[in-house]
Amino acid sequence: NAGVMQNPRHLVRRRGQEARLRCSPMKGHSHVYWYRQLPEEGLKFMVYLQKENIIDESGMPKERFSAEFPKEGPSILRIQQVVRGDSAAYFCASSLSVGSYNEQFFGPGTRLTVL
Amino acid sequence: AQSVTQLGSHVSVSEGALVLLRCNYSSSVPPYLFWYVQYPNQGLQLLLKYTSAATLVKGINGFEAEFKKSETSFHLTKPSAHMSDAAEYFCAVSDQRGKLIFGQGTELSVKP
Repeated sequence: NAGVMQNPRHLVRRRGQEARLRCSPMKGHSHVYWYRQLPEEGLKFMVYLQKENIIDESGMPKERFSAEFPKEGPSILRIQQVVRGDSAAYFCASSLSVGSYNEQFFGPGTRLTVL
Repeated sequence: AQSVTQLGSHVSVSEGALVLLRCNYSSSVPPYLFWYVQYPNQGLQLLLKYTSAATLVKGINGFEAEFKKSETSFHLTKPSAHMSDAAEYFCAVSDQRGKLIFGQGTELSVKP
């Protein structure tokens, strides 16, 4: 059973470009969470999605960031007009069901570098 | 609001020594607590989780943690450190939707 997959693993963008990060959850998992790890900081929640629905986006910056989890295909985290401060590791996690006690399985992350 | 505080951003121990990584939580409801480990350039791997079934929780790789409500703590321990334990460790609390709130992390170094 494949784990959570993220691609690309490394992404380099110039300021002003768009970044698209993909996350394929574990088989059978319909809950996806995105987290961001800035240099020298811990992980911060960004957004929680179920298939075709955004459930909680309280951690998402109000501008330039968006996320989706379509009925078919991976979840996408999209960053428009990237700035140097967006450079970070972005992790996706999936879980089988919702609830405080449910384990989240993490992907290897996408490391975004903005030049 | 829930939060987690990890005391000590860097901990260094000798191989074979006791590992103690500290985590204190704040929660208005009974918490669900987790410890994750992150090796360099990798994702997070669950070490163990507390879900109120037992206060002493055993995890993978010889780690365990004890939930102490009176101290609002969930410290991670391992009796004897191994070189392969060198990594970053994160304590986290979960909200009702499963969103994880992480501490700042503790980097563990193991000296030969």
